[in-house]
Amino acid sequence: GAVVSQHPSWVICKSGTSVKIECRSLDFQATTMFWYRQFPKQSLMLMATSNEGSKATYEQGVEKDKFLINHASLTLSTLTVTSAHPEDSSFYICSAQRDPGLAEQYFGPGTRLTVT
Amino acid sequence: RKEVEQDPGPFNVPEGATVAFNCTYSNSASQSFFWYRQDCRKEPKLLMSVYSSGNEDGRFTAQLNRASQYISLLIRDSKLSDSATYLCVVLYTGNQFYFGTGTSLTVIP
Repeated sequence: GAVVSQHPSWVICKSGTSVKIECRSLDFQATTMFWYRQFPKQSLMLMATSNEGSKATYEQGVEKDKFLINHASLTLSTLTVTSAHPEDSSFYICSAQRDPGLAEQYFGPGTRLTVT
Repeated sequence: RKEVEQDPGPFNVPEGATVAFNCTYSNSASQSFFWYRQDCRKEPKLLMSVYSSGNEDGRFTAQLNRASQYISLLIRDSKLSDSATYLCVVLYTGNQFYFGTGTSLTVIP
C-alpha cells in the first residue's frame, strides 16, 4: 500500500501559461499532502502543506497567488503554477501522509516542469 | 544551526563493504525519524522508519540515539543498486518535517 501518483510526469509550457499538477493517493486516504520543489543537485524544498478541506499553509517566500493549491478530497491535491516563467522550471514532488503527526510521507514520482 | 544535518559525502565504497551514515538533529522533542533513498531525478522512497531505538531490515540497520540526538543508517554487504542519495528526515511536533541535505553513496564494482 501507500502509492502516490502524480500527473503529468513531465510538461513543457510557454512562459505566461499556467500548469496544473495532480497528486493522488491511490490506496489510502491522505489527511495531509505536501508539495515540494527540487532543483538539480539540491535538496527538497517544502513549498506548502495542504490539509483536506482547508487552505494550504505556504512556506515563507512561496507566493500563494502564484502556486495555487487545492486539496478538494482525501485522495487528491492539485498544484497550479500560474503565469509560469523559466525560473519556475523545476522538479515538483508531492507527498501524502495518512495520519498527521505520526506517519511517514509517501512521495509521488514527481513532475518535471520546463518553461520555455 | 540546521535542524537536521548530514555529511553530504560522497561516500565511494566497494561492493560488499559496510558503510554507515550519521544524521544529527537539533530538536530534542523530535517525534519520529525516517531514512529515505533518492535516485537521480526520481522521488524519495521510504527506506526505514525509526520509532524507537532502532530498526533492522535485511542489510539495513537504523539506530536512534536520543541522548546524543543522532540517527545512523548502516548498510551491510553493499550492492551496486544501493548507489543513491540517502535522506534523513525528522518529524517534529506540529507535523513539521525536516529533511537533511542527503548523503551520496556510490558503490563501486
